[in-house]
Amino acid sequence: AQSVAQPEDQVNVAEGNPLTVKCTYSVSGNPYLFWYVQYPNRGLQFLLKYITGDNLVKGSYGFEAEFNKSQTSFHLKKPSALVSDSALYFCAVRDHGGDDKIIFGKGTRLHILP
Amino acid sequence: DAGVTQSPTHLIKTRGQHVTLRCSPISGHKSVSWYQQVLGQGPQFIFQYYEKEERGRGNFPDRFSARQFPNYSSELNVNALLLGDSALYLCASNLVLGYEQYFGPGTRLTVT
Repeated sequence: AQSVAQPEDQVNVAEGNPLTVKCTYSVSGNPYLFWYVQYPNRGLQFLLKYITGDNLVKGSYGFEAEFNKSQTSFHLKKPSALVSDSALYFCAVRDHGGDDKIIFGKGTRLHILP
Repeated sequence: DAGVTQSPTHLIKTRGQHVTLRCSPISGHKSVSWYQQVLGQGPQFIFQYYEKEERGRGNFPDRFSARQFPNYSSELNVNALLLGDSALYLCASNLVLGYEQYFGPGTRLTVT
């Protein structure tokens, strides 16, 4: 069965520093991977996806993610953090079963310190 | 362009009651999925509908049901509400099956 792990409940980064939010996955077959962000009392916003192609994927708001097949990882990165990046981040993988459901990790809360 | 819309925004119900949540997908999207997000957890898949047919169902009891209408909007129904049904219910739509889903703001359901 497909699964996603986000090993950190919370990540603290100083404003202007680079940030990384970790994600590892387990799938049968080729992975479809996603990152979403959730602000307080809001729905999820799509950031970026990896389906195929270049291992470095660029997304919204200056975020990018690196797909590493050998390490089964899909870490989210940003070169310079902003206070406004503080939010809850979810890594997700598509289930390759008959339906189209997305399986989410438990989320990582990102705090950017001014 | 309008995104995914959901109604109502908030809802308070009593145990044993029934609730109906509504969702309108992004224009042109024919697939709608429903998720339940309990506080402190990631969203959990409940249902997916495509072209008015159920494509998938998550591990939820039969008290949960859904349907999709000809205009691709959708309803999620929950019967015999339990305290544990209190959660944020998210609707998502996508244009291409298997690709990214776009989420609405959610309906916050509180069961007392």
